[in-house]
Amino acid sequence: DAMVIQNPRYQVTQFGKPVTLSCSQTLNHNVMYWYQQKSSQAPKLLFHYYDKDFNNEADTPDNFQSRRPNTSFCFLDIRSPGLGDAAMYLCATSREAGATDTQYFGPGTRLTVL
Amino acid sequence: GQNIDQPTEMTATEGAIVQINCTYQTSGFNGLFWYQQHAGEAPTFLSYNVLDGLEEKGRFSSFLSRSKGYSYLLLKELQMKDSASYLCAVKDSNYQLIWGAGTKLIIKP
Repeated sequence: DAMVIQNPRYQVTQFGKPVTLSCSQTLNHNVMYWYQQKSSQAPKLLFHYYDKDFNNEADTPDNFQSRRPNTSFCFLDIRSPGLGDAAMYLCATSREAGATDTQYFGPGTRLTVL
Repeated sequence: GQNIDQPTEMTATEGAIVQINCTYQTSGFNGLFWYQQHAGEAPTFLSYNVLDGLEEKGRFSSFLSRSKGYSYLLLKELQMKDSASYLCAVKDSNYQLIWGAGTKLIIKP
């Protein structure tokens, strides 16, 4: 089955210790997104890639970086996690970035910062 | 600014019907999405409306009125597994998804 996969599902890190979350997709979609979602809040878009073109949201902290080495994989790097970065991190993909293109989500990685 | 409003929480009874409302104010409109999100899981796509009217898909229907900036998700024959959060999201003029905070639906036996 074509899908969006995120690893790990649960990640525990220490305050200030860099962490990398990964996302892969077998849908061959052009666009990949990273969202942060805290409890009972709307998902917050951090950045997205259209193919290799990187688009950073204006209010995404510099602490968050991303890499997309190929169509299938995308990584979220948090350089110095703070307690406020504890959240669910959702990866999503869409075929294109047009009006009718639906975003499909992976299962998410829940990040705990100690 | 851009804004999506949904009730925070709703309660309904198994077997009944519930309507979850969503109002929006966005820079442009390129369609409205409804997603279902079970606790601790990722959102899953339910429906997409870009034209006014009702779209029916099994037990779930979604309605849109662009002139009123309003949509609702109608769930019929509620089942316990329908207990989840329901998120409304609008694509703006830049094709960015603007998300609501979600409505937590609690189903009671």
